[in-house]
Amino acid sequence: DAGVTQSPTHLIKTRGQQVTLRCSPKSGHDTVSWYQQALGQGPQFIFQYYEEEERQRGNFPDRFSGHQFPNYSSELNVNALLLGDSALYLCASFLQGSNYGYTFGSGTRLTVV
Amino acid sequence: QKEVEQNSGPLSVPEGAIASLNCTYSDRGSQSFFWYRQYSGKSPELIMFIYSNGDKEDGRFTAQLNKASQYVSLLIRDSQPSDSATYLCAVITGRRALTFGSGTRLQVQP
Repeated sequence: DAGVTQSPTHLIKTRGQQVTLRCSPKSGHDTVSWYQQALGQGPQFIFQYYEEEERQRGNFPDRFSGHQFPNYSSELNVNALLLGDSALYLCASFLQGSNYGYTFGSGTRLTVV
Repeated sequence: QKEVEQNSGPLSVPEGAIASLNCTYSDRGSQSFFWYRQYSGKSPELIMFIYSNGDKEDGRFTAQLNKASQYVSLLIRDSQPSDSATYLCAVITGRRALTFGSGTRLQVQP
């Protein structure tokens, strides 16, 4: 039973570029959330996707956008990258209506230079 | 006021001792409470979840919830060096946006 898988594991981009991160949820899960974790901080909620729609959004600018596909997988897109976007990006999945915590992927380490 | 607050630590305990990690939250409507463990450079791993006031035990771990005081804690009995990690408290409020504290770094000294 595959857990949450994320790709790529590491990425280096230049300021101003655009990046796409990918996530496949755990088998049986239908909801995907994305988090940004800066060094020494807790994960910060970016947004959540369910039924291919953005359902909730944290305090992140419109440069951060996403998508969910019919197979429940998801993408996170970040445009016009800033140095401050350097962080570990975590994808988490769960099943709507369940009472268990999210399952996290291993993350994508993004470095903006 | 942050939604979920934790002491950043480090909390240092000797091997075999009880480690006590604390967390407060601001939204009285919070419904579900989670403790995640995160090793350096790794993703968070769910340890415990609790929904009702009182204690919940799972092996060496006990989660305690006091909704009146808006307080949740994690006790780790017989602490081992392998327990050294950052422990993240997380809360679900309303429409299931899991909100994290900044984490407490635990160091278990051999």
